[in-house]
Amino acid sequence: KAGVTQTPRYLIKTRGQQVTLSCSPISGHRSVSWYQQTPGQGLQFLFEYFSETQRNKGNFPGRFSGRQFSNSRSEMNVSTLELGDSALYLCASSTGQGGSGANVLTFGAGSRLTVL
Amino acid sequence: AQKVTQAQTEISVVEKEDVTLDCVYETRDTTYYLFWYKQPPSGELVFLIRRNSFDEQNEISGRYSWNFQKSTSSFNFTITASQVVDSAVYFCALSEGSNDYKLSFGAGTTVTVRA
Repeated sequence: KAGVTQTPRYLIKTRGQQVTLSCSPISGHRSVSWYQQTPGQGLQFLFEYFSETQRNKGNFPGRFSGRQFSNSRSEMNVSTLELGDSALYLCASSTGQGGSGANVLTFGAGSRLTVL
Repeated sequence: AQKVTQAQTEISVVEKEDVTLDCVYETRDTTYYLFWYKQPPSGELVFLIRRNSFDEQNEISGRYSWNFQKSTSSFNFTITASQVVDSAVYFCALSEGSNDYKLSFGAGTTVTVRA
């Protein structure tokens, strides 16, 4: 069974640019969550999608957005990049049913974004 | 306010020693889940164990064991007879009933196992 796939694995952007990251969940998983990991702030929840609907959102500015497609694949976009957006962006998938915590999140290897 | 606190930043042990990682959490929900994840250098978070708030029974799974105490809001994790492959960053996380599918992570504890 294939795991959670994130692309690209590494990317370098400059301030002001925008970036799109992709996440393909485990087959059959309908929930996709995104997390940002930085040395200073640690792991922080960005948002979660289920059946193409955003169900929960973390405390991030509107420059961070996401979407989910009918095949459960998800993308997140960061516009007008800032130096502080440099981070490892992790995607996780689960079945998405059964209530909070009932499903274990399976994480991908992440997309490491460097903003210069 | 920090919901999950991992007071230990780094732990270094010699192979075959036991390692205990501390985790203290804070929540007002009566229904919640606690997790431990491992992050090796490759980057992905690997699920280790999960416990719900209604089950305080402590268990052992292979070389892993955990001690969940609601009275002290602690969820400690022990690796018995550590191996070099256990070297990683370990995260404790909390999922609360009022915030579906959102995990609050601790800052992580870096474990280094020396041969």
